[in-house]
Amino acid sequence: DTAVSQTPKYLVTQMGNDKSIKCEQNLGHDTMYWYKQDSKKFLKIMFSYNNKELIINETVPNRFSPKSPDKAHLNLHINSLELGDSAVYFCASSQDGRGGETQYFGPGTRLLVL
Amino acid sequence: DAKTTQPPSMDCAEGRAANLPCNHSTISGNEYVYWYRQIHSQGPQYIIHGLKNNETNEMASLIITEDRKSSTLILPHATLRDTAVYYCIVRVTGYSTLTFGKGTMLLVSP
Repeated sequence: DTAVSQTPKYLVTQMGNDKSIKCEQNLGHDTMYWYKQDSKKFLKIMFSYNNKELIINETVPNRFSPKSPDKAHLNLHINSLELGDSAVYFCASSQDGRGGETQYFGPGTRLLVL
Repeated sequence: DAKTTQPPSMDCAEGRAANLPCNHSTISGNEYVYWYRQIHSQGPQYIIHGLKNNETNEMASLIITEDRKSSTLILPHATLRDTAVYYCIVRVTGYSTLTFGKGTMLLVSP
C-alpha cells in the first residue's frame, strides 16, 4: 500500500534522448510536486500541481514538461536529455498545498545521462 | 537565500537523546517550522512541524523558543536507523513548497 510511488526507480539513457518518469499517489491528495536532488545533495522544487493545474514552476528549462492526467498522477517528461539532468527526481504529494500540511515523498528515480 | 542555519553534522550515541538545533532568526509570523529527514537513498520523510507551541509526536519533540528565532528537534532515544540528514525548514502558509537547505547529518553510533 505504497503512498507515493514512482517508476522507474533507475533510468540510464543517452544524451539527446526523451524520457518520462511516472508518479502516482493513493492518498487522495490534491497537490503533487516534483523535486530534483543533484549530486551535491541539494533538494530543489521543480513543479507543483494542484487538482491538475500548474501552481509552481521554478525556472526549470522547458525541456521538462510535467503532465497531470488526474490528481493522483503527475508525470515528468524530459526532452533532449543533457548530462546535467543526471540527478535523483522525487515526487511528493500533500493534501491541498497550503501551509500546515505535510508532504509525502516517493522513493525517487535515479536518472543517469551518459 | 537559506532561511535556516543548522550545524553540518552531529554525533549521538545509540539510546541517548539527539538534540538538533536550528536557527531561523528571520522567521515571519505566518511561517511554520518543519522538520524532515532523509535516510540514505530514500525520499525525505516528514517528522514534525509547529508554529508557536512545542509539539510532540511518536517520532520526536519540537521545541520552539518564545521569540521563534530558533528551535530544537529532539529524538528522545536515538537508534542506528535514525542516522540521516535532518532538514529544518520554514514555510509560509498558502500555496508554497519546501525549500531544503544543507541540513544536519546525524550519525548515531553503537
